[in-house]
Amino acid sequence: AQSVTQPDIHITVSEGASLELRCNYSYGATPYLFWYVQSPGQGLQLLLKYFSGDTLVQGIKGFEAEFKRSQSSFNLRKPSVHWSDAAEYFCAVRPSGGSYIPTFGRGTSLIVHP
Amino acid sequence: NAGVTQTPKFRVLKTGQSMTLLCAQDMNHEYMYWYRQDPGMGLRLIHYSVGEGTTAKGEVPDGYNVSRLKKQNFLLGLESAAPSQTSVYFCASYSRTGPGELFFGEGSRLTVL
Repeated sequence: AQSVTQPDIHITVSEGASLELRCNYSYGATPYLFWYVQSPGQGLQLLLKYFSGDTLVQGIKGFEAEFKRSQSSFNLRKPSVHWSDAAEYFCAVRPSGGSYIPTFGRGTSLIVHP
Repeated sequence: NAGVTQTPKFRVLKTGQSMTLLCAQDMNHEYMYWYRQDPGMGLRLIHYSVGEGTTAKGEVPDGYNVSRLKKQNFLLGLESAAPSQTSVYFCASYSRTGPGELFFGEGSRLTVL
């Protein structure tokens, strides 16, 4: 069965600092990988996704993520965080074929200090 | 372009009461899902549907029932609410021919006293 680990429950950064949120997955083959963001009181919005090809993917709001097969990781990065980036971030995986049921990590809460 | 709409957005129930959450999507998506979100637990799949008239159990189905009588609607029912069902519920939809990700509603916050 597939699983997703987001090892950091909370991360605090200063506005303008760089950010990296970690995501590790367990799956027999290369899955489809996603990062979603949830602002307070809102639903989840897709930031970016990886299906195949270039392992560095660009998303919305200046975010990027890098797929590293050897480490089973899909870490999310942003070079300079804005106060509006404070939110909950979820990594998700699903099989590349067959099941359309994604598995979500438990989320990382990002706190941004001015 | 409404996307995925959930009603109601807030509800308070007493233990033992019943209620139904409605999810409606206007994107003609085949798949629909109900998740619950609890602090520190992420999103857990309750039930899902791969098409009109079909439903299947997810990770935490106990205490919930669902129906998908129309392609655009996916109903989540609680027959006898329990305090453990206090949560935020999210509906999502997915298209096999679409961009590949789930589209989420804004959530329904349910409190069971």
